[in-house]
Amino acid sequence: QVQLVESGGGVVQPGRSLRLSCAASGFTFSTHGMHWVRQAPGKGLQWVAVISYDGNNEYYADSVKGRFTISRDNSKNTLYLQMNSPRAEDTAVYYCAKGPDLHGRWSPDDWGQGTLVTVSS
Amino acid sequence: DIQMTQSPSSVSASVGDRVTITCRASQGIRNDLGWYQQKVGKAPKRLIYAASSLQSGVPSRFSGSGSGTEFTLTISSLQPEDFATYYCLQHNSYPLTFGPGTKVDIK
Repeated sequence: QVQLVESGGGVVQPGRSLRLSCAASGFTFSTHGMHWVRQAPGKGLQWVAVISYDGNNEYYADSVKGRFTISRDNSKNTLYLQMNSPRAEDTAVYYCAKGPDLHGRWSPDDWGQGTLVTVSS
Repeated sequence: DIQMTQSPSSVSASVGDRVTITCRASQGIRNDLGWYQQKVGKAPKRLIYAASSLQSGVPSRFSGSGSGTEFTLTISSLQPEDFATYYCLQHNSYPLTFGPGTKVDIK
């Protein structure tokens, strides 16, 4: 069955960097677009970014554009989110989610359990 | 960006009740909409895709309808395990946007 396991969360100071990982198994990772979605404490869901199956296309929410970078290593079945210059408002549980299609143009169907990122000095 | 609204923001209902949640898009999105259920402390779970297609393994009491700018999620007979928060998500254009959520709790 599909498994998505996020890691790399923790406490990070504003302006520093953090990289999240999502290890995928149970499906052919290299043929699916992948998403990051976050949820601030007590708040709703916010889409963050998507990457196509081959890594050639990426799209971002305006709130993270220029600061966060989504990437993937298909040889390792792993999705990444590089968080540069994080702000307090980036504090959230970060979920990776699998798209059912090559480019991530459809609603994500499977989700990981999330990893908590707290931005605080 | 496409804005998504949901109504109501919360609903109190009893087991066996019919519950309907509405999601509206700020512009037409064809049927590019999914519905998700999220329980406290858990990851979201997709219930409906393409506005009206039932995700495999999801009980048939859940149904979705709509196209363009107005969509509904209906739970035909609420069960104890259905108390949760429900979100719609448009994937017609980037950035993808979620509705603010509808919390379904026990009356």
